[in-house]
Parts: sequence; C-alpha cells; structure tokens
Amino acid sequence: SAVISQKPSRDICQRGTSLTIQCQVDSQVTMMFWYRQQPGQSLTLIATANQGSEATYESGFVIDKFPISRPNLTFSTLTVSNMSPEDSSIYLCSVEVWQQETQYFGPGTRLLVL
Amino acid sequence: GENVEQHPSTLSVQEGDSAVIKCTYSDSASNYFPWYKQELGKRPQLIIDIRSNVGEKKDQRIAVTLNKTAKHFSLHITETQPEDSAVYFCAASRSGTYKYIFGTGTRLKVLA
Repeated sequence: SAVISQKPSRDICQRGTSLTIQCQVDSQVTMMFWYRQQPGQSLTLIATANQGSEATYESGFVIDKFPISRPNLTFSTLTVSNMSPEDSSIYLCSVEVWQQETQYFGPGTRLLVL
Repeated sequence: GENVEQHPSTLSVQEGDSAVIKCTYSDSASNYFPWYKQELGKRPQLIIDIRSNVGEKKDQRIAVTLNKTAKHFSLHITETQPEDSAVYFCAASRSGTYKYIFGTGTRLKVLA
C-alpha cells in the first residue's frame, strides 16, 4: 500500500472563492485520481492526474472548474474554482501503486461552501 | 455507459449472523473487483478484491464470489460484529483503464 496525506482536512469557504487541495504520497505511484463524495453518496471520479501533462476529466467535470496539477510522481493538487454551495462535498485523492490495479485513498478533504 | 448496481442499500443483521451484499456490473470486459469499507468520517479502505480468473476468495470472515457469466459478484461477511458496521462499496474495473466504477453503497448495521 502507500501512505497518503491530504491538506487541508476540512475547510469552510465563501462562495465565489477557490480552494486548492494537496495530495502527497510517500512513494512513487503510477496513477493518481481525484474523487468527489457528496453526503451519503458513492464516489464519483473527477479526473485522472497525469504526471507532466493535462489531467483526464470525466464527463461532467471540466478543467476550468477543477484544475489539477501533478508535477511529480508523489504529489498532486486539485483546485475547486469559483465555489458555490453545490460544491460542498468530500474530495478524496487515490493512488494506484505500481501495476497493482488497487487504489488506496487519502483521508479526504471535507469542504463546506457558504 | 458502464455502471455497477449494488443491493441492498441498507442491511441490518444481528451480531453473529451473516451479511451478503450483491453487485452487478454491465461491462463484460471488467476483470478486477475490489470491495471497500468506509466507516463514518473515514476514508474508504480496501477489504478484499477478486480478479476475473478466480471464482472465490476468502480472508478470515470475509469472502467474495464472482459469477462472470451472470456479471455479478458478492461480498459475504460471516459472524458479524458491531465493528463491521459501515458503508460498503463494490467497484469494477478493466485492466489498462485504471478507472473504477463504484456501486452506490450498502449501509450495514450490526445490532448487538
């Protein structure tokens, strides 16, 4: 497995502002992903963070709203831009360890937008 | 598009009884099926997984079965304990895509 940390663990933000969430892994991993989990719901994939190139977004998610960076094999950021109350959710990063196909999740960032 | 159906959405069992959660997937090319347990306020934790070349896998009180023909797989928890209470998610993925399709989740309550 891998040790994954996320910062911040939670935040309360005003509408119209942006928040950047960081995901750090203790070892080099092949794939990093960002998910959203709305209260009481399942996990929805936002995008795959590609090292050194643009992220791959899922249907319904766009780069202007959720810009993602992955400057190296152990770190990624997700920005939630121009937030509205509908963006209140838990945001989780996950990683796939080299060729294991198994994803391990970070502790999540709980976001509340007022 | 691909989807994974999961049933039941909630499940209450008496301590010591067994619990079964079922998932059905639509993409016949799916070949990897993990199960995650998520306790309240915590991250999803992998508890068991199965690949399409295996029909059953056990790990102590937890087992997963896979029926490729019917495209469904199930999680079995025996001798349930209060600490098994959590939300359980199934997922399906296809090799090379790295993308998981998650089920909608099952809230399991084990009554002492």
